[in-house]
Amino acid sequence: GESVGLHLPTLSVQEGDNSIINCAYSNSASDYFIWYKQESGKGPQFIIDIRSNMDKRQGQRVTVLLNKTVKHLSLQIAATQPGDSAVYFCAETRAYSGGGADGLTFGKGTHLIIQP
Amino acid sequence: DAGVIQSPRHEVTEMGQEVTLRCKPISGHDYLFWYRQTMMRGLELLIYFNNNVPIDDSGMPEDRFSAKMPNASFSTLKIQPSEPRDSAVYFCASSHPGSFRNTIYFGEGSWLTVV
Repeated sequence: GESVGLHLPTLSVQEGDNSIINCAYSNSASDYFIWYKQESGKGPQFIIDIRSNMDKRQGQRVTVLLNKTVKHLSLQIAATQPGDSAVYFCAETRAYSGGGADGLTFGKGTHLIIQP
Repeated sequence: DAGVIQSPRHEVTEMGQEVTLRCKPISGHDYLFWYRQTMMRGLELLIYFNNNVPIDDSGMPEDRFSAKMPNASFSTLKIQPSEPRDSAVYFCASSHPGSFRNTIYFGEGSWLTVV
């Protein structure tokens, strides 16, 4: 029968390996993108963001890549640790100059599982 | 900073009862958002405020849902009457847009079960 509920894509990686989580966004007008991490029982937590005038941004152990041509976003996590296990969401919005923005539109999320 | 504070963290109520969810945004943040998360639909934006004024409520499911922001440090999301399909996690979030930046910070959520 038809499955019910939202089955998140799952990415399983070995502890210490690098992870790459991908996201396709929908709105060509979006110019600001954020990756969030959501651990079980908690709210989404900001990881890293990127503006549309950039194609790469690095943080601590994380890198976000943006390809506006194909509307694709990726999050790379280096040397994954058990604490990286979570659901990862990409989000898009339009940021108006001078401040202000529409609310974020979230992707469906990817469940990252770290194998010991 | 204490972050976005929501209450209650968990609520179980009977169908037909009124539910009020509360939120205290991060001090100084002038945008406040209410999101709902379910397994079926993921994270959905319900409504957001700027400087206490509702800007976009197009995500509010129906008239049973209402939201207010009487001052800069408090907002409520009310469901009256509640129905089992309203069972979800409701997140409040706030932001303070800087120069072309709009990082939104989420609370821990209010887990609502309507039986």
